[in-house]
Amino acid sequence: QKEVEQNSGPLSVPEGAIASLNCTYSDRGSQSFFWYRQYSGKSPELIMFIYSNGDKEDGRFTAQLNKASQYVSLLIRDSQPSDSATYLCAPQGSGGSNYKLTFGKGTLLTVNP
Amino acid sequence: NAGVMQNPRHLVRRRGQEARLRCSPMKGHSHVYWYRQLPEEGLKFMVYLQKENIIDESGMPKERFSAEFPKEGPSILRIQQVVRGDSAAYFCASSPSRGTNYGYTFGSGTRLTVV
Repeated sequence: QKEVEQNSGPLSVPEGAIASLNCTYSDRGSQSFFWYRQYSGKSPELIMFIYSNGDKEDGRFTAQLNKASQYVSLLIRDSQPSDSATYLCAPQGSGGSNYKLTFGKGTLLTVNP
Repeated sequence: NAGVMQNPRHLVRRRGQEARLRCSPMKGHSHVYWYRQLPEEGLKFMVYLQKENIIDESGMPKERFSAEFPKEGPSILRIQQVVRGDSAAYFCASSPSRGTNYGYTFGSGTRLTVV
């Protein structure tokens, strides 16, 4: 069983649409969850984190967390071509391993002009 | 206000050579984390170091790989006798204390190519 699962994509949306990226995780002890954006050939860039059940909004980005379902998602509203990248979900390790992030393989998002 | 600095950005080594990757943490940070990203894979944790100590090296391959973070100078990830399968992007992050509640900022990475 994979620890963090994401749809690999590619997910293709038209400019201005909402992009929905999903992630499930297996470690029930994870408390914090991070979303990174990675452009091709670049390093991952932190865009959102969430630790409480529910929604957290930051500009065009909304992270959603449901710990009971072990599910976290990222919504990108008014998608722009510059949002085209791979999005990585990373739950924080639990207990004594809370310094460790476990990354999914990522979802490739393409926003078409 | 420099971020995490990694060098070199690109490194080409022939099979059997040694690769040394350097990571200078953000100012005031004494905890360093190394991650590896193989082609078409997500980032994988390799090792967590605090100044002069290896805290967790559970993600490091058992052979040929070593890491250090001396009292002075950058953290070094060393790969001896490189093989083609070591070709990957290596990223490091740092923090002022153990772990993070707000996520890590990664350096620009070192892209190792073994020919």
